[in-house]
Amino acid sequence: NAGVTQTPKFRVLKTGQSMTLLCAQDMNHEYMYWYRQDPGMGLRLIHYSVGEGTTAKGEVPDGYNVSRLKKQNFLLGLESAAPSQTSVYFCASRAQGASNQPQHFGDGTRLSIL
Amino acid sequence: QQPVQSPQAVILREGEDAVINCSSSKALYSVHWYRQKHGEAPVFLMILLKGGEQKGHDKISASFNEKKQQSSLYLTASQLSYSGTYFCGTESWDSNSGYALNFGKGTSLLVTP
Repeated sequence: NAGVTQTPKFRVLKTGQSMTLLCAQDMNHEYMYWYRQDPGMGLRLIHYSVGEGTTAKGEVPDGYNVSRLKKQNFLLGLESAAPSQTSVYFCASRAQGASNQPQHFGDGTRLSIL
Repeated sequence: QQPVQSPQAVILREGEDAVINCSSSKALYSVHWYRQKHGEAPVFLMILLKGGEQKGHDKISASFNEKKQQSSLYLTASQLSYSGTYFCGTESWDSNSGYALNFGKGTSLLVTP
């Protein structure tokens, strides 16, 4: 029972490089989310998706792009990485919004931009 | 859009009680509470839906005042295992993009022997 799987778990990038973080869920959930966590800032919503083929901006979307081509996958892209994007990234999924269904979190991706 | 949590940090002795507050400037559909241990993913505690309710979970309970857009988490007779960072998440509707779930900055709770 995998739940929410994030790939990779760790990554070091140089400024200006690009990369994609993958989030996969096997629970047939409609909603998926990307958050970043920085010391003292809590979890901040980057982008989210309310269903396959949809995406929406969260609180801190600048510098990131996302895609939800398949229901089970939610990709987070950094086109040109900056040191300010050094963070721990969490993906979460949820059966549906506006319900008593909880979010399920992945284990996180620790990303360092040098 | 981030809800505001208070206090930022609290230190308790085992057996003492604590209250963590969460407030939002937006109309809320639900409030979620999670606990995170260092280096781990957040773990679900409970959800409260609009309609004004209170829930209990062992010695941890919460209330949700929909009109005031506030929620409180109550930890009674604290145990060492309660240590961690507590996050409230608030769910609100956006006509363009559906239901977003935003989390606060967290409340760090340390329970000492």
